[in-house]
Amino acid sequence: QFVLTQPPSVSGAPGQRVTISCTGSSSNIGAGYDVHWYQQLPGTAPKLLIYGNINRPSGVPDRFSGSKSGTSASLAIAWLQTEDEADYYCQSHDSSLSGSDVVFGGGTKLTVL
Amino acid sequence: QITLKESGPTLVKPTQTLTLTCTFSGFSLSTSEVGVGWIRQPPGKALECLALIYWDDDKRYSPSLKSRLTITKDTSKNLVVLTMTNMDPVDTATYFCARGLSGEPYYFDYWGQGTLVTVSS
Repeated sequence: QFVLTQPPSVSGAPGQRVTISCTGSSSNIGAGYDVHWYQQLPGTAPKLLIYGNINRPSGVPDRFSGSKSGTSASLAIAWLQTEDEADYYCQSHDSSLSGSDVVFGGGTKLTVL
Repeated sequence: QITLKESGPTLVKPTQTLTLTCTFSGFSLSTSEVGVGWIRQPPGKALECLALIYWDDDKRYSPSLKSRLTITKDTSKNLVVLTMTNMDPVDTATYFCARGLSGEPYYFDYWGQGTLVTVSS
């Protein structure tokens, strides 16, 4: 259903490190398009977390980091905190979807145990 | 300070046309490499980008909804309007507008709070 595949859920204990994957294909991430990441706290609008694969907007803690390799990208969250519990979405572009410039992944719910 | 705010009906009937307005401040849509997008989120589901309008008036639409969507901008009034025809209960969602910045693809750095639109008779 989604051209960018994310695990539905991940979990970790406070202080741990978790990663969230975003798996694409040769028509999106593998074609060289950037991946951006958003955090959505319950009941709020999404917030930009990472842009251009690895860049953090001002104000985003350096506990959050992004990477990209081949047809996949990952968001890593170090030193997990309870306030990190949220939904996370990756975003990119897919050249096989004529007319659309933006695609989102299905989202990943992070639970902090 | 950059802000965006969505406005429009909270309830529409099936087959009706939805018109949503995004009123923004703190930036101009006449500035190069800037855009405004509409993104929706059905309850409990993922984000979906509906449409994106760029500073040069170029427009992009979700392929699956293209026939029902129109996005326009009024640069002098700092607003972007999205119309969606033939509304259906499955279109019930929170609709967000967001500022897009140049990237490959554009990314959204500022978002409105969203407006919940319910489609029901």
